[in-house]
Amino acid sequence: QKEVEQNSGPLSVPEGAIASLNCTYSDRGSQSFFWYRQYSGKSPELIMSIYSNGDKEDGRFTAQLNKASQYVSLLIRDSQPSDSATYLCAVSLFSYGQNFVFGPGTRLSVLP
Amino acid sequence: GAVVSQHPSRVICKSGTSVKIECRSLDFQATTMFWYRQFPKQSLMLMATSNEGSKATYEQGVEKDKFLINHASLTLSTLTVTSAHPEDSSFYICSAAPRTDQETQYFGPGTRLLVL
Repeated sequence: QKEVEQNSGPLSVPEGAIASLNCTYSDRGSQSFFWYRQYSGKSPELIMSIYSNGDKEDGRFTAQLNKASQYVSLLIRDSQPSDSATYLCAVSLFSYGQNFVFGPGTRLSVLP
Repeated sequence: GAVVSQHPSRVICKSGTSVKIECRSLDFQATTMFWYRQFPKQSLMLMATSNEGSKATYEQGVEKDKFLINHASLTLSTLTVTSAHPEDSSFYICSAAPRTDQETQYFGPGTRLLVL
């Protein structure tokens, strides 16, 4: 059974700090990895995708993938109160974004 | 670009009635659309994958006769909850994978269903 695990949180960080969100997955054949942000009562919005081992940076966000450890993380630099949301990790067995398995999400709270 | 709409955004219905939810990709063609359900404080659970012109593939435990999915065109998929019951009350979200960029999915705004 495919599983994606995340700490449910809440993860609280002060404004301006780095928030680190972690995700592990069980299926070693997984090929594509995504981070989504979901505000309460809203649908998820894509933050980043990553397919290869290593780091991928986009603005204040950095995704890190380690396939050997079956681990993917998201770092948010200079955290802002507007970053407060639930962050969902999604994993797909395919090299394109099909048949996601979502983690339970980590609730992030950025304190002003 | 990559906008997905859903209609209605919110619906309240009586137990036993059927409810249809539409999912449209507004500015791209989607070969594949997905339907998810999310209960409060829980993550998204994939219900089914629908490909244009073919039957939907349902996840284990999802009743295909209760949740009817029609993917009539490259821009429209519908989910009909038949004979709805209070336990079907949930947040239903669709997503679409663009035909020209299947690397990810773009989500609609969701439909909140309340069955009385």
